[in-house]
Amino acid sequence: KQEVTQIPAALSVPEGENLVLNCSFTDSAIYNLQWFRQDPGKGLTSLLLIQSSQREQTSGRLNASLDKSSGRSTLYIAASQPGDSATYLCASAPYSGGGADGLTFGKGTHLIIQP
Amino acid sequence: NAGVTQTPKFRVLKTGQSMTLLCAQDMNHEYMYWYRQDPGMGLRLIHYSVGEGTTAKGEVPDGYNVSRLKKQNFLLGLESAAPSQTSVYFCASRTGTSGRGLGYEQYFGPGTRLTVT
Repeated sequence: KQEVTQIPAALSVPEGENLVLNCSFTDSAIYNLQWFRQDPGKGLTSLLLIQSSQREQTSGRLNASLDKSSGRSTLYIAASQPGDSATYLCASAPYSGGGADGLTFGKGTHLIIQP
Repeated sequence: NAGVTQTPKFRVLKTGQSMTLLCAQDMNHEYMYWYRQDPGMGLRLIHYSVGEGTTAKGEVPDGYNVSRLKKQNFLLGLESAAPSQTSVYFCASRTGTSGRGLGYEQYFGPGTRLTVT
């Protein structure tokens, strides 16, 4: 059974810092890995998706990397802003079934960017 | 496009009552999913569907039933609600065919907050 772990569980940093959120998974047979953002009381917003054949994806100030062999993914946020404050979730889709069988989520990193 | 919508947004039930949560998507997605989110547990998959008329169990299916009579709708039913089913329920969908290398991203609805007393 796939297990996804996110470290740290919470992080508070001053505005402007670059930061890294970590995600690890126990089963390397993944189809893809997706990073989400969740604001309090809201749904999930997809940030980046990395296919199993890819090493990284970038969107604006966000960069996500994937190392399947070590079971790790990182989300890099450059020049953090108070508006980046949210909970960040990573989730993997299993390789079996072409990734159709739903996502396994980590418990998230609660990020606070201090103005 | 509205994306993924969920009805209702909030609901309070008494133990033993039944209800149905409705998920609708207007993206012509083949696959749809129901998750629940609980403090300290993260999101867990309840049931999913890979096409109209088909459903499958996820990690925590007990106490729930689902139906996918139309491609755009996925219903989650609680036949006899229990306090342990107090949670936030999220629906998601994704395409079944990868176009332009999009990689099967899942899109989520805003959630239904359910309290069972």
